[in-house]
Amino acid sequence: DIQMTQSPSAMSASVGDRVTITCRASQGINYFLAWFQQKPGEVPKRLIYAASNLESGVPSRFSGSGSGTEFTLTISSLQPEDFATYFCLQHDSYPLTFGGGTRVEIK
Amino acid sequence: EVQLVESGGGLVQPGGSLILSCAASGFTFDDYAMHWVRQLPGKGLEWVSAITWNSDTINYAASVKGRFTISRDNAKNSLYLQMNSLRPDDTALYYCVRYVAVVSLEYWGQGTLVTVSS
Repeated sequence: DIQMTQSPSAMSASVGDRVTITCRASQGINYFLAWFQQKPGEVPKRLIYAASNLESGVPSRFSGSGSGTEFTLTISSLQPEDFATYFCLQHDSYPLTFGGGTRVEIK
Repeated sequence: EVQLVESGGGLVQPGGSLILSCAASGFTFDDYAMHWVRQLPGKGLEWVSAITWNSDTINYAASVKGRFTISRDNAKNSLYLQMNSLRPDDTALYYCVRYVAVVSLEYWGQGTLVTVSS
């Protein structure tokens, strides 16, 4: 099974900060990596697919990069509505595996 | 509008069984692979199972293999998850999710809560 190691598990940041979240795969997953945002009581919402493609309607302050085993989600200027938990997902092979999540909290 | 509506969750004793259903609408159901994903209370996401559009390929997480069975009825636009030998660590919110290769998990239902407790 492919393990997805996501870091950090939690972080405090201020509005306007640049935020970077990383997922490392235990083996290469090409570009089969997606990023999701989840707010309390809500369903996960996909932000990025195929490692770097922005989902329609998602603000351009979100971006994804990487390939192979290391991937990054960047929020260029954190907004109040971005305080949430973020997950990565590899779907290169079964079983699909999620990262452990990163909770972004207000500093 | 794509809609996925799960049902069938509830409280069940350890060792018991439940069948979850997912009613799909707003798209051509048999064009898509479908997945079940669960979320433990206050925790992260765990992929559970997947089925291709024509049911010819099925996959399970190791934690549920041999206990859970995924199936679909394309004539009824419905996805199912038969869950047997339930354990307390199966307690979670279960989501029905549409999948597309490359873009991954697309549309999520609101989830149905399964609680395994005596």
